[in-house]
Order: sequence, then C-alpha cells, then structure tokens
Amino acid sequence: EDQVTQSPEALRLQEGESSSLNCSYTVSGLRGLFWYRQDPGKGPEFLFTLYSAGEEKEKERLKATLTKKESFLHITAPKPEDSATYLCAVAISGGYNKLIFGAGTRLAVHP
Amino acid sequence: DGGITQSPKYLFRKEGQNVTLSCEQNLNHDAMYWYRQDPGQGLRLIYYSQIVNDFQKGDIAEGYSVSREKKESFPLTVTSAQKNPTAFYLCASTPTGAHYEQYFGPGTRLTVT
Repeated sequence: EDQVTQSPEALRLQEGESSSLNCSYTVSGLRGLFWYRQDPGKGPEFLFTLYSAGEEKEKERLKATLTKKESFLHITAPKPEDSATYLCAVAISGGYNKLIFGAGTRLAVHP
Repeated sequence: DGGITQSPKYLFRKEGQNVTLSCEQNLNHDAMYWYRQDPGQGLRLIYYSQIVNDFQKGDIAEGYSVSREKKESFPLTVTSAQKNPTAFYLCASTPTGAHYEQYFGPGTRLTVT
C-alpha cells in the first residue's frame, strides 16, 4: 500500500536552532515529492518539488533533499515566522495527477 | 490577481441538509481537485476533474457530488449521506503542462451540527 509518513508530529525549536523534518515514503512509481507549508486555517502553500534522488532545492532558510526512501526539509536558523505545519506529498504513477499526503509536522519556533 | 478562491470561509449547517462549497480559479488551469482535511490526518482526495464536463471519484467520494460545467468552476456538494461532514475542505488546481504540482485555495471550514 502506498504510504507517506512524516516525523516528528510536532517540533518545538528556539529561534536560531536548526533542525530537520522527515518524510518517508513507500510507493510504487514515484513521480515527484512535494513540500507545502500550511498556516492555521489556510490552504497549503507550495514550497518545493523534487523529482529524483539526490536532488536538492533551497528557499531562504529551507532546504529540501530527496533520497530513494525519504525526503528531509532542513530549516537553518529558524525564525518565529517559520512556525507552521509542513506537509509532504508524493505523486505516483496511475493515470492522473494523484498526490498522497502525509499528516504533517507542526513546527513551533519560539523567540 | 490570479488565484483560487473558495467561498464561504466558514459554513454552518444542520444535519440532514445538503450544502455546496464554491471553488473558482482564474488561472486557466485544466485540472481541479477537492480534498478533505481532518486533524491528525493527511489530505484525502474526494473528487478530481481533468477537463470540463468530466470528473472522477477520489478515495473518499461517498456522500459527495461535483460538477464541472466551466473550466473556472468546480463546486462540491456535501450531501446528507455524508456521515461525518464536519471538516476543512480544500480545492486545488494544476497548471496546464505541469507535472503533478497542485496549488491550493484558502479552504472552507464546514461545521454540521
């Protein structure tokens, strides 16, 4: 069964304390992996797309990496405004643009 | 401004009533999707549509219905047959030619009592 698991469920950091969020997947026919940021009560905001193992993408304090079994979202020197839920999703082969989502990691960055 | 709009932001209904959630996009995207989000769970696909006048069931379509009469609009009806309709509903669309990237609207929180 295709599955996406994110860990930890929740993460509390001090401002400036770097860390990583994990997204592990077991799917048949990976077509891409996506990271989103979601603020409370709002729709997910697209961050990154990764297509192949070894690929990396960066945006400000965020860096996403991909291996054959998992992806990491590295947060360097986070600020309170980085507090949000981060969602991971994978696209699989199957005839249409289907995404399978993980449950997310709730990140809280405290000053 | 181009984007995906959902209305209303909050919706309250009594049990047994059907309710329709609006999703409009002016991005000229072909594919549109409806997801449901519940606390502690990943987004689950309700329905999707790749072109006008065509739509397909997702993983949790029971108790829901959709239409796609215009490229810009993909309304979702939550029927009285849906056993647990209280949730956060998200509409998304995919740019033409993009590979699986989905962009989301702001969401509608539906509460049924």
